Amino acid sequence: DQQVKQNSPSLSVQEGRISILNCDYTNSMFDYFLWYKKYPAEGPTFLISISSIKDKNEDGRFTVFLNKSAKHLSLHIVPSQPGDSAVYFCAAEEGFGGTSYGKLTFGQGTILTVHP
Amino acid sequence: ETGVTQSPTHLIKTRGQQVTLRCSSQSGHNTVSWYQQALGQGPQFIFQYYREEENGRGNFPPRFSGLQFPNYSSELNVNALELDDSALYLCASRGGGELFFGEGSRLTVL
Repeated sequence: DQQVKQNSPSLSVQEGRISILNCDYTNSMFDYFLWYKKYPAEGPTFLISISSIKDKNEDGRFTVFLNKSAKHLSLHIVPSQPGDSAVYFCAAEEGFGGTSYGKLTFGQGTILTVHP
Repeated sequence: ETGVTQSPTHLIKTRGQQVTLRCSSQSGHNTVSWYQQALGQGPQFIFQYYREEENGRGNFPPRFSGLQFPNYSSELNVNALELDDSALYLCASRGGGELFFGEGSRLTVL
């Protein structure tokens, strides 16, 4: 039972263009969503999060959009850079007050490759 | 640098053996979580400890157990290893509303 799904195993983008990574979830109790980035031989690194009371959160080149009715979120990276090449994981949690308590449900990940 | 260190980084065991993985997190991080990441999959929540007590568990059998110590270190123990236990095991500690992951311990079961 995959409660968080990332249906695109990989994405290839040209440097300077927009990268859009998508994520769908099924558990309506999820109210806190996060994106993590993972390089080989490293642990996941937190990128950006969004609480279910918002529909958009922006941090520099990274923007996360949440569509609660569609149970869908997306991560936009603009402009994409070669250093952004990594595996991106979407994660969700039944949190409280819009914060994470560490019990995350992850998607399968999307491998992003940004070409120079 | 997340302040979360794990050991060993790699290890090989045979089926039926037992393994202990260790994690050291930042001072003040009272919550530690353990995740299993199989090849090509996202991390799966195993369990979480808060102030040395287990306070949440994922869909893993009792042969997966843990300990958390007052010095912000913790252990994941797996008994009766099975081939499917081969995975990257990640420790994460919570601080300032954010979850910090270690680099993981890669376990291979032969």
